[in-house]
Amino acid sequence: ETGVTQSPTHLIKTRGQQVTLRCSSQSGHNTVSWYQQALGQGPQFIFQYYREEENGRGNFPPRFSGLQFPNYSSELNVNALELDDSALYLCASSFSTSGRRADTQYFGPGTRLTVL
Amino acid sequence: GESVGLHLPTLSVQEGDNSIINCAYSNSASDYFIWYKQESGKGPQFIIDIRSNMDKRQGQRVTVLLNKTVKHLSLQIAATQPGDSAVYFCAENRKTSYDKVIFGPGTSLSVIP
Repeated sequence: ETGVTQSPTHLIKTRGQQVTLRCSSQSGHNTVSWYQQALGQGPQFIFQYYREEENGRGNFPPRFSGLQFPNYSSELNVNALELDDSALYLCASSFSTSGRRADTQYFGPGTRLTVL
Repeated sequence: GESVGLHLPTLSVQEGDNSIINCAYSNSASDYFIWYKQESGKGPQFIIDIRSNMDKRQGQRVTVLLNKTVKHLSLQIAATQPGDSAVYFCAENRKTSYDKVIFGPGTSLSVIP
């Protein structure tokens, strides 16, 4: 088991609502990446946070946003939920000295989001 | 387009046999590759990694081979056990301004007792 935790485990929302997912990094890690994993597919990179700033972003709309806190924990916020947002949301923590390249990413168990 | 893909979506092996999971990548600039194992209801678990300056790397019961000429890597699992049943992803860490990991679609490994 990694030291990465996520909450909640499961969540059910309706279209148009907003959701906040939380992630606590493994001790000693300063970088958090968020991924969306649709059923039967590989994780898709959403964005990465390093030292409380967004360090990189995948092909996701602006209604996906995030935060990283001084203790390196992180939040993923999704506004105006759509049915296609139903997925497993994974966070991964790692350590980087510069924000450019990090050590191996370690994943949390994920949050299963269902949008009705 | 750029992608990391797997040749076979499913693989069934007999307990005790060796398993080989293959992966193709298209970005020749990638310099770091990782294999993850994902069991049902869990997040991906790091198995082994390899950098582009290496051809082979061994871990406990696992070996990763990298062929940069044909942009191919494989994961070999020796003496496959029922606990090895899972989805295996190869992932590619590309040279960008940040640490971006691109996952392939995954191969489901089933171990027959």
